Amino acid sequence: DVQMTQSPSDLSASVGDRVTITCRSSHPISDYLNWYQQKPGQAPKLLIHSASTLQGGVPSRFSGSGSVRDFTLTISSLQPEDFATYYCQQHYNTPPTTFGQGTRLEI
Amino acid sequence: EEQLVQSGGGLVQPGGSLRLSCAASGFSLSDSWMYWVRQAPGKGLEWVAWMNQDGREKAFVASVKGRFTVSRDDAENYLFLQMSSLRVEDTAVYYCARGHSGYPRRGYFDIWGQGVLVTVSS
Repeated sequence: DVQMTQSPSDLSASVGDRVTITCRSSHPISDYLNWYQQKPGQAPKLLIHSASTLQGGVPSRFSGSGSVRDFTLTISSLQPEDFATYYCQQHYNTPPTTFGQGTRLEI
Repeated sequence: EEQLVQSGGGLVQPGGSLRLSCAASGFSLSDSWMYWVRQAPGKGLEWVAWMNQDGREKAFVASVKGRFTVSRDDAENYLFLQMSSLRVEDTAVYYCARGHSGYPRRGYFDIWGQGVLVTVSS
């Protein structure tokens, strides 16, 4: 199975900051990498798919990059509503499709 | 509006069974790859099962193989997760989700149900 490792696991930042979350796969996964945002008590929300494609309706301050094994999610200027947990997910070598352990972004 | 509405969670004893339902509206399940994903309390996301558009391709995470099945009612546009021989470690919020159905299959989940809590405890 492909293991996904996110870093950091916890991140403290302020409104207006630029933040980057990284995700590394144990095996090459091309660009079959997706990013989700989850707020407490809610279902995850798709932010970015295929490593760098912004899902419709998602603010442009979110961006994704990377390929093969190393990927990043960047929020260019943090807004209050961005404080949440973020997950990466690979869907290249499946089944199973696997998620990273999550990055909790807090104020 | 495309959405998924779930029902069927609850408290069940170890060894028991439970069926989760996921009602789709605004799109047809028979046109979609559909997934079940779970999240144990305070933990991360774990894929559980998937089913393809014609229902012939199904897959399960190793820990639920032989205990969980996935099915669909195309007339009513419902997806089901039948869980049996439940264990304490199956306790989680269970989500149904629609997966990308194009080619190549990118496997991203663009629509999620609200989630239902399954608690396995004596």
